[in-house]
Amino acid sequence: DADVTQTPRNRITKTGKRIMLECSQTKGHDRMYWYRQDPGLGLQLIYYSFDVKDINKGEISDGYSVSRQAQAKFSLSLESAIPNQTALYFCATGLAGTGELFFGEGSRLTVL
Amino acid sequence: GENVEQHPSTLSVQEGDSAVIKCTYSDSASNYFPWYKQELGKRPQLIIDIRSNVGEKKDQRIAVTLNKTAKHFSLHITETQPEDSAVYFCAASKASKIIFGSGTRLSIRP
Repeated sequence: DADVTQTPRNRITKTGKRIMLECSQTKGHDRMYWYRQDPGLGLQLIYYSFDVKDINKGEISDGYSVSRQAQAKFSLSLESAIPNQTALYFCATGLAGTGELFFGEGSRLTVL
Repeated sequence: GENVEQHPSTLSVQEGDSAVIKCTYSDSASNYFPWYKQELGKRPQLIIDIRSNVGEKKDQRIAVTLNKTAKHFSLHITETQPEDSAVYFCAASKASKIIFGSGTRLSIRP
C-alpha cells in the first residue's frame, strides 16, 4: 500500500543536540507538510512544500528547518533542540487540487 | 495569517444522541474546510470536507455546514456510537496551506 513513513518513531535527545526527523512517501503526492501536536493545541503547521524548490514557513517555524531532498522525501531538523520542542511530530502529504492530507504515524520526540 | 478556533475542547454525549463541534476562521479567502478524526494513538484521518461554494454536505451520520458570511463551520454527528469516541480537528485551507483548530475530545457515554 502506498504510504507515508516517518523515522524515527520515537527519539529521546538532550538539550542542544541536533535532531533530524525524516519522512518519505510512496503516494506520488507533490505536497508535503510537517505538523507538531501538543495536548490541547491541535496540529500546528511548521513547514510545507509544494515541490523540491518550493518550501514555505508555517505557523511555528522558528527553531526548525526543513529539506525537500526529492519529491518523495521531506526532512525536519532541530538544529539545537530545547525541552519545549518535546512533542509528537506528524508528516503529511497531499495532492494538488484535492485538499486531503495523508498523515504518517508520527514521531514522538522528547528533549531532556 | 489564518487562525482557526474550535469549540468545545471536550464533549461528552450519551450514545445515540447528537454531537456538534463548531469552528471559526479568520481569513475570508480560505476555501476548503476539512474535518479529521484521530483515534487514540493513531494518525488523523479525513472524515468529511466542504468547499466554500457549498453550504452543507452529508455522509451517512456525519454532516458539515459552512456559513461563509459569518466564517463559521460545524460538524454534526447524529446517532452517536462508541466508535465515534476520538479527537476531532477542523481545519481551514487557502492555497494548500492548511491550518488546524485545537481539537475536540468527544466521549460517548454508554
